[in-house]
Amino acid sequence: AQSVTQLGSHVSVSEGALVLLRCNYSSSVPPYLFWYVQYPNQGLQLLLKYTSAATLVKGINGFEAEFKKSETSFHLTKPSAHMSDAAEYFCAVSELAMRFGAGTRLTVKP
Amino acid sequence: DVKVTQSSRYLVKRTGEKVFLECVQDMDHENMFWYRQDPGLGLRLIYFSYDVKMKEKGDIPEGYSVSREKKERFSLILESASTNQTSMYLCASSLSRGLSYEQYFGPGTRLTVT
Repeated sequence: AQSVTQLGSHVSVSEGALVLLRCNYSSSVPPYLFWYVQYPNQGLQLLLKYTSAATLVKGINGFEAEFKKSETSFHLTKPSAHMSDAAEYFCAVSELAMRFGAGTRLTVKP
Repeated sequence: DVKVTQSSRYLVKRTGEKVFLECVQDMDHENMFWYRQDPGLGLRLIYFSYDVKMKEKGDIPEGYSVSREKKERFSLILESASTNQTSMYLCASSLSRGLSYEQYFGPGTRLTVT
């Protein structure tokens, strides 16, 4: 079965700093990969998805992710963190149903 | 606009009670899913459904059942609630079976079993 692993349950950055959230996948076939964000007391919403059209995927709110097959990675980045980015982020892989990583909580310090 | 609604945001039940969690989507989606979310464990798939009256077990189906009598509604049932089922429950839907389709989530139901 396909799965994803998120490295780091908590990440803390200063406002304006680079955001890097790590996700590695295991799959025997080309995967479909997703990043979701969950703000406090809300459901999940899609940030971006990789469906093999392009290795660099741009999402909402200035986030992007790069699919690297050689590294089996799909890390999420944002050049400059904003206070409103504080949330929990989930990487997911789509198989018969979507499987999620354990999540990374992002804290942004002023 | 896409919308998935869940019947309750917060629910408190006693051990042994039968609990129903309801989910409704208004997007005419074929697929619906139930997850539970626990700190440090992410989202774990309980059950999903590709069509009316059809259901598939996810990764942690024990202690749960589901019902899908209408396309827009997917119910999660805890036959006899236990304290280890205290969790956040999230419902989601997606357009069809294609692997590239994103899931749309409801706001969640926080269930406490005492």
